[in-house]
Amino acid sequence: DAGVIQSPRHEVTEMGQEVTLRCKPISGHNSLFWYRQTMMRGLELLIYFNNNVPIDDSGMPEDRFSAKMPNASFSTLKIQPSEPRDSAVYFCASSFKENQPQHFGDGTRLSIL
Amino acid sequence: AQSVTQPDIHITVSEGASLELRCNYSYGATPYLFWYVQSPGQGLQLLLKYFSGDTLVQGIKGFEAEFKRSQSSFNLRKPSVHWSDAAEYFCAVGSGNTGKLIFGQGTTLQVKP
Repeated sequence: DAGVIQSPRHEVTEMGQEVTLRCKPISGHNSLFWYRQTMMRGLELLIYFNNNVPIDDSGMPEDRFSAKMPNASFSTLKIQPSEPRDSAVYFCASSFKENQPQHFGDGTRLSIL
Repeated sequence: AQSVTQPDIHITVSEGASLELRCNYSYGATPYLFWYVQSPGQGLQLLLKYFSGDTLVQGIKGFEAEFKRSQSSFNLRKPSVHWSDAAEYFCAVGSGNTGKLIFGQGTTLQVKP
């Protein structure tokens, strides 16, 4: 079984540029989660979707961040414009239902110069 | 508000020795509790979960955890540690109603030969 697939694995870009992170959840999973991991703040939930609908986006740091889930097999997290403090590892996770165990992708390591 | 505390940032044990990683949570109702493990450069892998029922839960890789409501704890144990267990371990708490998980700051486990 394919797990959660994230792309790209690494992204290095200059501040001010638009960054788009992609996620393909496990087939049949109805909930999708975006997390950010940093040394200072640990693992933080940014937003999660249930049946392609955003349920809780209270963790999205500011308006520069946006997330979409146009269908059950694809989601994007976009940062525009990017800033150096956005540098982190971003994880996508999916679960069969909202309160079921989450399965994580391998993450995107983002560096904003 | 929900919170998770992992009191030990870093633990070193000898290979073959027993292991206990501590986790304390704050939650108003019966929590859903999880332990995840993260190897360098990878996403989080679920070790075990507690939803209800037997307070001693078995997980993968020989790990177990015990839910103690009176102590608000969910400590992870393994009777004999292997060098491959070196990784970072995260405790997380969630509710039965939403998908939102709160993660602890993590405990890094180092295994001495």
